[in-house]
Amino acid sequence: DAGVTQSPTHLIKTRGQQVTLRCSPISGHKSVSWYQQVLGQGPQFIFQYYEKEERGRGNFPDRFSARQFPNYSSELNVNALLLGDSALYLCASSLGGGRGYEQYFGPGTRLTVT
Amino acid sequence: QKEVEQNSGPLSVPEGAIASLNCTYSDRGSQSFFWYRQYSGKSPELIMFIYSNGDKEDGRFTAQLNKASQYVSLLIRDSQPSDSATYLCAVKGSFQKLVFGTGTRLLVSP
Repeated sequence: DAGVTQSPTHLIKTRGQQVTLRCSPISGHKSVSWYQQVLGQGPQFIFQYYEKEERGRGNFPDRFSARQFPNYSSELNVNALLLGDSALYLCASSLGGGRGYEQYFGPGTRLTVT
Repeated sequence: QKEVEQNSGPLSVPEGAIASLNCTYSDRGSQSFFWYRQYSGKSPELIMFIYSNGDKEDGRFTAQLNKASQYVSLLIRDSQPSDSATYLCAVKGSFQKLVFGTGTRLLVSP
């Protein structure tokens, strides 16, 4: 079975621009979570979506937003990019609904803001 | 105090030895614990999860959980050079948020 997929793999943007990152979960998984990982740190939670509804939000500014589609894929949007937004953005897939807490990560999107 | 703490390492062990990785957490109500392995430049890979006190074994990996002392550990038996990576400890918080430590870098020398 296919794992979690993310696109694009790499992205270079300029300060002030906007970016959209995409994620498709493992087949049968209904929950998608987004994390940001900067070099030398563990991933930091940004959002969790389950059944198209936001179920949790981390300590990130309103420039970060996300949504989940009827097929359970998800998009993460970041507006007004700052240099500090440069990081590896990870999407994690899980069954959701209290049926399993194990989260499986996709390959990530490496965002560089110049 | 950080929510999840790990020694950043590096932890160096010779090939064939047992590597012991430790993690402590601050939320006494935490119920679910995870170990991820992350190779340089790659995304984290789930290798173990444990929800009950005691030991859980899977191949060369053993996860140990002690909720009273608020620590979780990962033992890797017969360590191989291919085990050289950063090991991330994660604790499930509210909803399905995972709170990660900063990771322990493991180096296994041939």
